[in-house]
Amino acid sequence: GNSVTQMEGPVTLSEEAFLTINCTYTATGYPSLFWYVQYPGEGLQLLLKATKADDKGSNKGFEATYRKETTSFHLEKGSVQVSDSAVYFCALTSPTETSYDKVIFGPGTSLSVIP
Amino acid sequence: DTGVSQNPRHKITKRGQNVTFRCDPISEHNRLYWYRQTLGQGPEFLTYFQNEAQLEKSRLLSDRFSAERPKGSFSTLEIQRTEQGDSAMYLCASPRDSGANVLTFGAGSRLTVL
Repeated sequence: GNSVTQMEGPVTLSEEAFLTINCTYTATGYPSLFWYVQYPGEGLQLLLKATKADDKGSNKGFEATYRKETTSFHLEKGSVQVSDSAVYFCALTSPTETSYDKVIFGPGTSLSVIP
Repeated sequence: DTGVSQNPRHKITKRGQNVTFRCDPISEHNRLYWYRQTLGQGPEFLTYFQNEAQLEKSRLLSDRFSAERPKGSFSTLEIQRTEQGDSAMYLCASPRDSGANVLTFGAGSRLTVL
């Protein structure tokens, strides 16, 4: 079945450090890939998405590139801020699912950025 | 305001009691999803509605769980005879817009079973 694997956290970085959170997936067909973020005390929200191979999703300085050959969608940011402290979830939807909206999530990676 | 409203935000109950959660999704969208999230885990799919029809249920949804969407608008998720293992955050979501395959989530209803 479809699944998502993420690097385990928690990840602790100093402000302005470079961030990479690894994500790999297993899916049939051609999934769409997402990063969702959950800030403390808030609901899940979409950070970025990519719908086909080699697409790059970007938002708020974060980027991720859909790599079909390595089945990966790693999240990167060049300079993190304290306000980026949150839990990040890699996710996918697959057109082979009964509902193409159904999102399958990875376990999440907690990021703490210290001043 | 995410457009998806859930209540109550937090429910504490004793084992064996019944609880009900309500979700008011983004209006004009006919699909609605329920997920469950436990501490340190990603959200897990529970069930999905298109209008009032419940089209898919996860194996996680035991017979103590029932979800309804009587008029194709709001939805309820009821848990009967709660167990401590039911303690989790219950999330509701609906598509952000038609055809986008992006979900907008509510803030969730946290259940604590003592």
